[in-house]
Amino acid sequence: KQEVTQIPAALSVPEGENLVLNCSFTDSAIYNLQWFRQDPGKGLTSLLLIQSSQREQTSGRLNASLDKSSGRSTLYIAASQPGDSATYLCAVRGQGAQKLVFGQGTRLTINP
Amino acid sequence: DVKVTQSSRYLVKRTGEKVFLECVQDMDHENMFWYRQDPGLGLRLIYFSYDVKMKEKGDIPEGYSVSREKKERFSLILESASTNQTSMYLCASTLDRGRTRNTEAFFGQGTRLTVV
Repeated sequence: KQEVTQIPAALSVPEGENLVLNCSFTDSAIYNLQWFRQDPGKGLTSLLLIQSSQREQTSGRLNASLDKSSGRSTLYIAASQPGDSATYLCAVRGQGAQKLVFGQGTRLTINP
Repeated sequence: DVKVTQSSRYLVKRTGEKVFLECVQDMDHENMFWYRQDPGLGLRLIYFSYDVKMKEKGDIPEGYSVSREKKERFSLILESASTNQTSMYLCASTLDRGRTRNTEAFFGQGTRLTVV
C-alpha cells in the first residue's frame, strides 16, 4: 500500500529565502507525482505535475524534482514571498490506479 | 480555463437528513473523485467514478453513496447525515483516455459541511 510522507509538517521562514519542501513515497511504481497548494478553507490548486519519466518540472519560482528510485520529490521555492504562505501537498498516482494518495502536507508561513 | 465546480461552499445540515453534494467539471474528464479532508487525517478517498454509471469504493465509503448519470456531474450522497461526517469535502477530476494517464488532477473549491 502506497504511503506518502511530508516533512516537516510546518515551516516558517523570513521573506526572500529559498526553501525546499520534501515528499517521500514507499512504492516507486508510479504514473506521476503532483504538487498542490491549499489556502485555508479552500480547495487544492495544482502547482506542478511530474510524470514518472521526468526528473523535474519548473513553473516560475517553483521547481519540483522527482527521484523515483529513492521514492523522493522536492519542491523548491525561490525568493519566497508572504503570498506563498499556504499548505503544500504532494500526491502520487500509482501505476494501474486512478486515485491519488496524498501526504499530510507542509504548512508554510513566510514572514514579512 | 479548466474548472471543477462544487455546488456549495458551506452547508449546515441536521442529523438524519439526506444530503447531496454536487460536482460538475467542464473538461470532458473520465474520472471523478470525492475526498474528505480532516485535520490530522489528511485527504481520504470516499468514492470515485471512471465512467458514467460506473463507481468504485475508495478508502472510507461507509455512510456514503454516489451517482454519476452524466459524464460531467458526480454527486455524493449522505443517506442519513451524522455528526462524524462534518468535514471538508473535495471533488476532483482527471482525464484518463487511452495513453493519456499522466494528466493533472483538478480540484473544486471544497464544501465545508457541518452536521448538527
